[in-house]
Amino acid sequence: QVQLVQSGAGVKKPGASVKLSCEASGYIFTNYAIHWVRQAPGQRLEWMGWLNPDNGKTKYSQTFQDRLTFTRDTSASTAYMELSNLRSEDTAVYYCARGSSGWHYWGQGALITVS
Amino acid sequence: QSALTQPPSASGSLGQSVTISCTGTSSDVGGYNYVSWYQQHPGKAPKLIIYEVTRRPSGVPDRFSGSKSGNTASLTVSGLQAEDEADYYCTSDANTNGLYVFGTGTRVTV
Repeated sequence: QVQLVQSGAGVKKPGASVKLSCEASGYIFTNYAIHWVRQAPGQRLEWMGWLNPDNGKTKYSQTFQDRLTFTRDTSASTAYMELSNLRSEDTAVYYCARGSSGWHYWGQGALITVS
Repeated sequence: QSALTQPPSASGSLGQSVTISCTGTSSDVGGYNYVSWYQQHPGKAPKLIIYEVTRRPSGVPDRFSGSKSGNTASLTVSGLQAEDEADYYCTSDANTNGLYVFGTGTRVTV
């Protein structure tokens, strides 16, 4: 069965960077985009961007344009999200989701607290 | 990229129906038949309940239905049940610039 398992949650200091991973299983990793979404406490879902695992192409929300980097390791079927220069406003649960028509599969979420 | 517009809240009694709107533009909602809806319970990851405007993933009850007219998509939950109390978000899976945006979210109270 399709699964996305996230890791990398934790507490970070302002100005630091965080790198989250999203390990995919149950399907061919390079066949579907990976989207990243975050949700600050009590706030709405916010789309961050997507990664094409096949060719490494990325598209970022303008909100994060210069702080966000998506990468992947196809041998490990894992996508990564790195957010730099963290601020308190980046405190949120970060999700990865498998892209297609409708995002059918989501990771369990990773809480990043910037403090 | 502006968020798609949803009403902040909606409510209905057990067994009644509630409809949530999602308004975008001709560049996203209105231009393509690729609107999705997600249900999110507190502390949980979002769950896809409608995609391509009207399609339901397997396992989603047929009490959930979607439609679209012009730049506005709608989600209807019929025969409301207690477990339908959640936040609901729309998104357009196709747009002219490759950027995605969620709706502002609607809290449904049963």
